[in-house]
Amino acid sequence: GAVVSQHPSWVICKSGTSVKIECRSLDFQATTMFWYRQFPKQSLMLMATSNEGSKATYEQGVEKDKFLINHASLTLSTLTVTSAHPEDSSFYICSAEGVYEQYFGPGTRLTVT
Amino acid sequence: GQQLNQSPQSMFIQEGEDVSMNCTSSSIFNTWLWYKQEPGEGPVLLIALYKAGELTSNGRLTAQFGITRKDSFLNISASIPSDVGIYFCAGQSGGSGTYKYIFGTGTRLKVLA
Repeated sequence: GAVVSQHPSWVICKSGTSVKIECRSLDFQATTMFWYRQFPKQSLMLMATSNEGSKATYEQGVEKDKFLINHASLTLSTLTVTSAHPEDSSFYICSAEGVYEQYFGPGTRLTVT
Repeated sequence: GQQLNQSPQSMFIQEGEDVSMNCTSSSIFNTWLWYKQEPGEGPVLLIALYKAGELTSNGRLTAQFGITRKDSFLNISASIPSDVGIYFCAGQSGGSGTYKYIFGTGTRLKVLA
């Protein structure tokens, strides 16, 4: 089956620094990838849709200058959290669009101290 | 962001009992999906429904796509301890190249042996 990986699986950073999270589709090509954020005991909230070779589409309320998304190839999308603050601490999950469904990565736990 | 209403929020049941949960929306969806998420991991697809009225099974799991296209339910029969987790419904809106998932609020299931 289709496999999506994320790296790192967890990261701790200091407030004010930037963190990059990678999402890779390992055995298929994905024109479209999605980035979600999940706070503890809450549902997945779509942050943005990432399209290969074009600008990402952000959901209402998500700051595009804070959450930089780059989808430079058909197997890789990156999310960079810039000038991180403690309130950015969350579980970030990506997914890659397959033929019939989205395939989810295992998530990245970000903790900002 | 938009979320689907899912109920119940949580369930504690005895091993062997059947479980039922449902998801409702104010919007119409083209596809309904049910996922299970375990702590610290991404969601895993359980069942996908593509047509109004469709009833689909996957082992002990059965899900139906409501006739109005605004709701769906998931049943788990003869629950076992490994059924523990959070179950999310998701509705797919949009068309090819523009579709996205909206997730439900989740149902936490605990199975008592």
